Amino acid sequence: GAGVSQSPRYKVAKRGQDVALRCDPISGHVSLFWYQQALGQGPEFLTYFQNEAQLDKSGLPSDRFFAERPEGSVSTLKIQRTQQEDSAVYLCASSSRDRKNSPLHFGNGTRLTVT
Amino acid sequence: GNSVTQMEGPVTLSEEAFLTINCTYTATGYPSLFWYVQYPGEGLQLLLKATKADDKGSNKGFEATYRKETTSFHLEKGSVQVSDSAVYFCALSPYTGTASKLTFGTGTRLQVTL
Repeated sequence: GAGVSQSPRYKVAKRGQDVALRCDPISGHVSLFWYQQALGQGPEFLTYFQNEAQLDKSGLPSDRFFAERPEGSVSTLKIQRTQQEDSAVYLCASSSRDRKNSPLHFGNGTRLTVT
Repeated sequence: GNSVTQMEGPVTLSEEAFLTINCTYTATGYPSLFWYVQYPGEGLQLLLKATKADDKGSNKGFEATYRKETTSFHLEKGSVQVSDSAVYFCALSPYTGTASKLTFGTGTRLQVTL
């Protein structure tokens, strides 16, 4: 497909469980971003990769959140010991390069519900 | 830090009405400004952008002008259609650092009725 693909589309986890969210960026896109969107809010930055290097993880809310992109393509966002406040839509976005004139392409997101 | 404030919704308009969604920002330097749109069941899409003061971004009949003196980037459309019903997000990209480390507003839901 031509767009950013995220899976699963929906995830329900019991509090304390670990979850892994996957992002397939547009082929060839160097830059990859994760955002978190709570209900009724705008997306908030979590972390940024350029190829396989994680250049900015300043938005990760706690050390329970971990992201990787080992081969510079697919990325996984892992949340350990999920809490109810982790319930949100997790958005992945990619761009051909990190430039102001390179548009971000967003996936449809993974909606995580922690019960 | 950087922040974006946009008018709360929902905004309900009749088809062919004039639309304004207000957006103001706080940032250091000269950020780039964006409007993103999220149609029901779809991902965020870039609607328009402006990268310097007095630039006007436009797309699909929507316009927004980067006003540094008022730190604003209001979205306008002269005649809305039912198909414009969506959530609209104003966002900024920082002047320095990661260009796509966007700061978003909380979003404004637009509902257009016949």
